[in-house]
Amino acid sequence: GEEVAQTPKHLVRGEGQKAKLYCAPIKGHSYVFWYQQVLKNEFKFLISFQNENVFDETGMPKERFSAKCLPNSPCSLEIQATKLEDSAVYFCASSPYPPRENTEAFFGQGTRLTVV
Amino acid sequence: AQSVAQPEDQVNVAEGNPLTVKCTYSVSGNPYLFWYVQYPNRGLQFLLKYITGDNLVKGSYGFEAEFNKSQTSFHLKKPSALVSDSALYFCAVRDMGVTSGTYKYIFGTGTRLKVLA
Repeated sequence: GEEVAQTPKHLVRGEGQKAKLYCAPIKGHSYVFWYQQVLKNEFKFLISFQNENVFDETGMPKERFSAKCLPNSPCSLEIQATKLEDSAVYFCASSPYPPRENTEAFFGQGTRLTVV
Repeated sequence: AQSVAQPEDQVNVAEGNPLTVKCTYSVSGNPYLFWYVQYPNRGLQFLLKYITGDNLVKGSYGFEAEFNKSQTSFHLKKPSALVSDSALYFCAVRDMGVTSGTYKYIFGTGTRLKVLA
């Protein structure tokens, strides 16, 4: 499709429960980013993929967060044993690869995760 | 390390007046700079970008940005503000993999623009 599609739009989880977020990148875009938007609008980079391969995972809290981009499936971001501090809006973006000088990333509408 | 600063949390401007939203950057190598806008409960929408070429970049919805290498700035501007321009604006620099091998975006903390009728 022509839009980055993120599901669900809203997700509420009790502390300790698992949360799974999905992202379908724009068709033909093989580069996917996940960002976490927290209080005061700060965007924190989590992870990026080139097709199904992890490209950069330096932002991932590895003990509870995991992500995948498998062929012919939406990408996913999973949080095991959620904590209150995981409450945020999670954005997915896609971009063509290799990055060209005229390439911008296209963002989805985000998934708002609320941990209670 | 690459970084972006937006020194103003909020900018208020009267409708019809010109607006400026400030952004300064710090990069190693050539800067690849972007402006995005976020409306309430929406994702980021691309406005414009600077890669190379003219220092004045024109983008969507009548916005433009001026790249100033000596001042390391990339301020967003619009000659005449509309109430509908009220939103959260983010400046970003793209790490083009020069040092880290990654292509992630590094965002500023955002500036809330309020256009008053």
